[in-house]
Amino acid sequence: AQSVAQPEDQVNVAEGNPLTVKCTYSVSGNPYLFWYVQYPNRGLQFLLKYITGDNLVKGSYGFEAEFNKSQTSFHLKKPSALVSDSALYFCAVRSDNYGQNFVFGPGTRLSVLP
Amino acid sequence: DGGITQSPKYLFRKEGQNVTLSCEQNLNHDAMYWYRQDPGQGLRLIYYSQIVNDFQKGDIAEGYSVSREKKESFPLTVTSAQKNPTAFYLCASSRSRDTYEQYFGPGTRLTVT
Repeated sequence: AQSVAQPEDQVNVAEGNPLTVKCTYSVSGNPYLFWYVQYPNRGLQFLLKYITGDNLVKGSYGFEAEFNKSQTSFHLKKPSALVSDSALYFCAVRSDNYGQNFVFGPGTRLSVLP
Repeated sequence: DGGITQSPKYLFRKEGQNVTLSCEQNLNHDAMYWYRQDPGQGLRLIYYSQIVNDFQKGDIAEGYSVSREKKESFPLTVTSAQKNPTAFYLCASSRSRDTYEQYFGPGTRLTVT
């Protein structure tokens, strides 16, 4: 079975400081990994993905994430947080096995304090 | 503008009534999905469709029904059999079932009293 964990319900960070939102996963087969962001009462927006290749992937709005196979993690990072980054962040995984659906984590609320 | 539209944004219904949520996309995507979002639970897959006139149950299909008569449209009906229908419903699409990222609509918040 596939699963995604986001161990922190809430992450608080001061504007200008680096931020990290954690994600760990479990799949059979190789993982396809994604990060999405959701602003209040809106749909999800795609940020970045890891499919294969370089373990460090760069995405929209200055975000990046590092795939760590041995730790089964895909943490989202940004070197310098903005107040406008405050939102709900979802990690999602899908196995490369045929027929699997996406599984989303429960979400982490990021608050960037001015 | 290309994208996914969902209507209405807010929907109120009395218990025992069926209600249909609209989802339309002009991205020419083959695959479409319906998710339910509840606080602290992430997104859970209700139904998905890989191609016109075909759809499959997701993890929580009980009490819901869908149709896919046109490529651009994937309406979701919440029936009176759904025991806890109040939630935020999100529609998404992707180029194909095996293509990677999904594109989401703005969502419909359904309240049943």
